[in-house]
Amino acid sequence: DIQMTQSPSFLSASVGDRVTINCKASQNINKYLNWYQQKLGEAPKLLIYNTNNLQTGIPSRFSGSGSGTDYTLTISSLQPEDVATYFCLQHSSRPLTFGSGTKLEIK
Amino acid sequence: QVQLKESGPGLVQPSQTLSLTCTVSGFSLTSYNVHWVRQPPGKGLEWMGRMRYNGDTSYNSALKSRLSISRDTSKNQVFLKMNSLQTDDTGTYYCTRDLLDWGQGVMVTVSS
Repeated sequence: DIQMTQSPSFLSASVGDRVTINCKASQNINKYLNWYQQKLGEAPKLLIYNTNNLQTGIPSRFSGSGSGTDYTLTISSLQPEDVATYFCLQHSSRPLTFGSGTKLEIK
Repeated sequence: QVQLKESGPGLVQPSQTLSLTCTVSGFSLTSYNVHWVRQPPGKGLEWMGRMRYNGDTSYNSALKSRLSISRDTSKNQVFLKMNSLQTDDTGTYYCTRDLLDWGQGVMVTVSS
C-alpha cells in the first residue's frame, strides 16, 4: 500500500497569511493526488484534483503543486472560512490512501 | 443535480453485519463509479472499496474478507455489507461519486 505522510498535523495562521500543507507519498504517484477540505460535521469537499486542477467553484486562493512523491496545497491568503481539516488522497493505485489530515486554525 | 444519500442502522451489535445503502440521483450508476469511505470519530479517512460503472468491484485489502459492495441500477442504489463488526468499525460512512461528490454520511456505532 502507498503511505501518505501529511504535514503539519496542526497549523495556526493569521488571516491573510500564505499557508502550505504537504503530502509525501511512499512511492511515485504520478500526480494522482487530490486535496479535500472537511469542515466540522460535514463531508469532505474536493478542492484540487490531479495535483494542480482547481475544482469548479473553489476560490483561486487555493492551488496545488508537486510531482513524484511530494505534493503541496497552498492557500495564498488565508480567510476565516478556511478553518477546516485538509486531507490529501492518492488515487494512483489501490487501495486509495489518504493523508492523516492537517487541522487549520486562525490565530 | 448530483446527490448521494447514505442510509442504514445507526447501531449495530458486535459480530453482526452492517448493511448500508447509497441512493443516488442526478447521474447514472452505469456511467460513474461509486466509492465507500469511512471515518472513525475524530480521525482520518479510509477508502473501503469501489463499485465501478461497469459493475466491477474493488476492495481495500484490509477489509476485503469482510466487505461486499453491490448495486441495483434500476433503483439507483449501491449497497455495502460488512460482517464481523467490531467497536473500531464505529464511524461515519460516506458514499461518493468518483471522489468528487459526497453524501452527507451516516454514523454507525458498533456497541452492545
